[in-house]
Amino acid sequence: DSGVTQTPKHLITATGQRVTLRCSPRSGDLSVYWYQQSLDQGLQFLIQYYNGEERAKGNILERFSAQQFPDLHSELNLSSLELGDSALYFCASSLSGSTDTQYFGPGTRLTVL
Amino acid sequence: GENVEQHPSTLSVQEGDSAVIKCTYSDSASNYFPWYKQELGKRPQLIIDIRSNVGEKKDQRIAVTLNKTAKHFSLHITETQPEDSAVYFCAVTGANSKLTFGKGITLSVRP
Repeated sequence: DSGVTQTPKHLITATGQRVTLRCSPRSGDLSVYWYQQSLDQGLQFLIQYYNGEERAKGNILERFSAQQFPDLHSELNLSSLELGDSALYFCASSLSGSTDTQYFGPGTRLTVL
Repeated sequence: GENVEQHPSTLSVQEGDSAVIKCTYSDSASNYFPWYKQELGKRPQLIIDIRSNVGEKKDQRIAVTLNKTAKHFSLHITETQPEDSAVYFCAVTGANSKLTFGKGITLSVRP
């Protein structure tokens, strides 16, 4: 157990819908990262938040957004869902920056039908 | 941006043999190089990492070597066991401070 929690574990929804994924970092970690893992794309970095502020952005679609709250938990919002958004979404946390060890949560499996 | 490549893409070894997985990167300013192991349906877990001021690091049966001049680093697993079977990802933090992952390599250890 890494100490990072994610909810829900599974999510099944329809195209065009909007979903919210939630992540709680390890105690003491200030940075939260979101990754998308699909079979053909590997682990793709989406976005990083540090102490409530956006710090780095990866290949995140405009339909996706995230935020980190004062209690440091983070949410990833995915809207206007398409079939191709079906994937495993991982959250990771680290003490501070991206050269600190990142600990991954168990992931949320999103299926868009 | 950073380009990270892993070789080979699949690797099968006999139990007890050694396995070596190589990772190359493009950004010479990269300074952090972790390796993650991911079992089917589970989260990626850090198994070892190395920073740019160190050439080699070892932890029991696992070691990582870094060649900054050639821009590659390798994961070495000795005395492989069936439970080492998994997907292994290398990753690199470059000047953009983002952790970029390789596409992963599936290691199979034959009993």
